[in-house]
Amino acid sequence: DQQVKQNSPSLSVQEGRISILNCDYTNSMFDYFLWYKKYPAEGPTFLISISSIKDKNEDGRFTVFLNKSAKHLSLHIVPSQPGDSAVYFCAASASGNTPLVFGKGTRLSVIA
Amino acid sequence: EAGVAQSPRYKIIEKRQSVAFWCNPISGHATLYWYQQILGQGPKLLIQFQNNGVVDDSQLPKDRFSAERLKGVDSTLKIQPAKLEDSAVYLCASSLTGTAYGYTFGSGTRLTVV
Repeated sequence: DQQVKQNSPSLSVQEGRISILNCDYTNSMFDYFLWYKKYPAEGPTFLISISSIKDKNEDGRFTVFLNKSAKHLSLHIVPSQPGDSAVYFCAASASGNTPLVFGKGTRLSVIA
Repeated sequence: EAGVAQSPRYKIIEKRQSVAFWCNPISGHATLYWYQQILGQGPKLLIQFQNNGVVDDSQLPKDRFSAERLKGVDSTLKIQPAKLEDSAVYLCASSLTGTAYGYTFGSGTRLTVV
């Protein structure tokens, strides 16, 4: 029973274009959402987060959008750079106090 | 600030053998987590400690997995006996606040059971 779903295992984007990574969740108790980035042989590193009281959070080239009614969030990377090539994990928590639940990840490849 | 330290980085064992992983969290971080990441999957929580007490071990296969965090600092995760399906990356994370806001992950231990 997957509570956090990332239905696209991989995504390929040209350098300079927009990357859009999607995530769906089923648990209505989730109210804090995070994106992590993972390079091979390294642990996941925090990228950006959003609380359920917001519908958008922006940090430089990264923007996360939250649609609570659809239980859907997305990560936009603009413009995409080759160094963005990594696996991106969507994660969620209830009230920020419960351990993170992760999706399966989406492998992003940015082609120069 | 030093990161979360894990060792070893890689381990290959035969099935039915035992193995132990070590984690040293960021200094002052009261909450420590062990996650299992099987190839192609997202990290799955095994156990959460608050200081030296267990908060959540509901997904830990207790017939073969055990974990401890003596003195509320570093932690060890043990598997005995190992099965082929235990092949995964074992990630340790720590958090100052004990909430989702401040996880820092280590680089993980890649276990291969043959």
